[in-house]
Amino acid sequence: DQQVKQNSPSLSVQEGRISILNCDYTNSMFDYFLWYKKYPAEGPTFLISISSIKDKNEDGRFTVFLNKSAKHLSLHIVPSQPGDSAVYFCAASANGGGADGLTFGKGTHLIIQP
Amino acid sequence: DAGVTQSPTHLIKTRGQQVTLRCSPKSGHDTVSWYQQALGQGPQFIFQYYEEEERQRGNFPDRFSGHQFPNYSSELNVNALLLGDSALYLCASSGGTSYDTQYFGPGTRLTVL
Repeated sequence: DQQVKQNSPSLSVQEGRISILNCDYTNSMFDYFLWYKKYPAEGPTFLISISSIKDKNEDGRFTVFLNKSAKHLSLHIVPSQPGDSAVYFCAASANGGGADGLTFGKGTHLIIQP
Repeated sequence: DAGVTQSPTHLIKTRGQQVTLRCSPKSGHDTVSWYQQALGQGPQFIFQYYEEEERQRGNFPDRFSGHQFPNYSSELNVNALLLGDSALYLCASSGGTSYDTQYFGPGTRLTVL
């Protein structure tokens, strides 16, 4: 029973365009959501997070949108750069992001094409 | 400021053996969480340590145990290794001013033959 789903295993986007990565969740108790980026042979790197009391959070080129009624969140990267090519994981928590085990999706492999 | 560190980087064991993995959290963090990442999957939560106690546990058997030391570093022990325990083991730390975010180390790649 997957509580966090990333339905696109891979996504190819042209350099300079917008990348949109999607994530759906089923557990209504989740109140904090995080996006991580992972390169091969490295640990996940924190990108951006959002609390359930907000519907948008922005940090530079990265924006996360949360639609609680649809149990859906998305990560927008604008403009996409070659260094953005990596696997992106969506994660959720029911008690903030630090004092609780995170539940991860399976990841989306983003490929930025020149 | 050093990030989360883990040792060893790689490890090869045989079925039935026992293994210990180590983690040092980021400076200022007091909470350590462990995750297992199988190939092609997202990380799965094993357990979390705070104040030297296991605070929360995921759906892993008792063969997986841990410890947290007074300096907040942590160990993950796995007994009676199975082939299916082959995975990347990730440690994450949180706490202090980063209460809501877990920061991950580079991981330990465990291969069970």
